This record gives sequence, structure tokens and C-alpha cells, in this order.
Amino acid sequence: AQSVTQLGSHVSVSEGALVLLRCNYSSSVPPYLFWYVQYPNQGLQLLLKYTTGATLVKGINGFEAEFKKSETSFHLTKPSAHMSDAAEYFCAVSDPVAGGNEKLTFGTGTRLTIIP
Amino acid sequence: NAGVTQTPKFQVLKTGQSMTLQCAQDMNHEYMSWYRQDPGMGLRLIHYSVGAGITDQGEVPNGYNVSRSTTEDFPLRLLSAAPSQTSVYFCASSPYSGGAVETQYFGPGTRLLVL
Repeated sequence: AQSVTQLGSHVSVSEGALVLLRCNYSSSVPPYLFWYVQYPNQGLQLLLKYTTGATLVKGINGFEAEFKKSETSFHLTKPSAHMSDAAEYFCAVSDPVAGGNEKLTFGTGTRLTIIP
Repeated sequence: NAGVTQTPKFQVLKTGQSMTLQCAQDMNHEYMSWYRQDPGMGLRLIHYSVGAGITDQGEVPNGYNVSRSTTEDFPLRLLSAAPSQTSVYFCASSPYSGGAVETQYFGPGTRLLVL
């Protein structure tokens, strides 16, 4: 069974500061990994995904994440926070053996607040 | 394209009432799914479908029924609503290519309150 742990349900950073949102996973096989963002009263939007190949993945809005197999982590970063980054962020994992991006297992989410 | 649409946006039910949450997509996606989102628990998969006529259970299927008679529509039925089903429900769709990783597109959600 897979699981995802997001450390910190709430993270606050100053505008212009580094954003770091943590995600650790548990999986019996190398998983597919995803970060989604949810703006208030909206559905989820894919930020980036890791399947195979290069472990540093770049996504939309300046975000990137690095897959570290030895640490079972997939932390999300952005060098300089912008007010528009305020949202809730979800890390998710899927089992490549069971299917591609279907049947996602989500973490509990991290709410990012940007301080002006 | 309208993408993934969900109706209603908000609904209040009394315990024991039934209702259907509607989900439609106009992207000709084979894969569709329903999730519920609860505070502190992230999203959990309720049911999913890999094509018309094919459905399967996810992590939390109890109390919910689904059917997939067309590619476009994937309604979620609550036969006898319970307060524990108070949640925000999201529908999602993606192409299905049996292992390739496609982007899932989420609808805007339906907020359900069961009294």
C-alpha cells in the first residue's frame, strides 16, 4: 500500500522568500509522484509530475521538485514566493504497476500563506 | 472546451435523503473518478471508471454508487445520505492509456452538507 506524508499542514513565507513544501512517500515500487495546487473554491490543478528519468522536475509557475529515492522524498520548491502562490498544495503518488496516474493517493495537504 | 463540470455547486440534504452529483467532461477522456475531500485528510478516491460500462471501487466506496453509460458522464449517487458524507466532492478525468501518465483534470467541486 502506498502512503504520502506532508510535513506541516500550514507554511508561511514572506514574499520573495524560498518556498519549501515537504513530501515523503511510502511505496513498495518506484512510484509516480505528483504535486497539485488548489486555489480557494477551485478544483485541483497539476503543478508537476515525476515518472521516470531526470529526478529534478520543473512545473508551472516557477515550481520544481526533486525525486530523491534514498530519502523517499519529493519536496516542492520555488526560489521566490509571490502573493499569487497562496493556496493549498497536495502531494500525490500512484502505483505504476496498477496504472499510470489513476487511483492517486493524496497527502493531507499544506496550506501556503504568503506574508507581504 | 468546458473541461470537467460538476453540478450542483452546493447542496444541503437531510439524513436519509438521496441525491445524484453530476459530472461531465467534453474532452473524450476514458478515465473518470470521484474523490471526496475532508479537512486534514486530503482527497480520497471513491469510485473510478476506465470507460463506458466499466466502474470499480476506490478507497472509500461505501454509501456511494456510480454508473458510466456514456464517455462524457459519470454521476455519483448517494442512496441514503448520512452526516459522515458531508464533504467536498471532486470529479476528475484523464485520457487512459493503460500505464502512461496522463494529466488528470479536476472539476470545481460540489460542497455537500448532510444534516
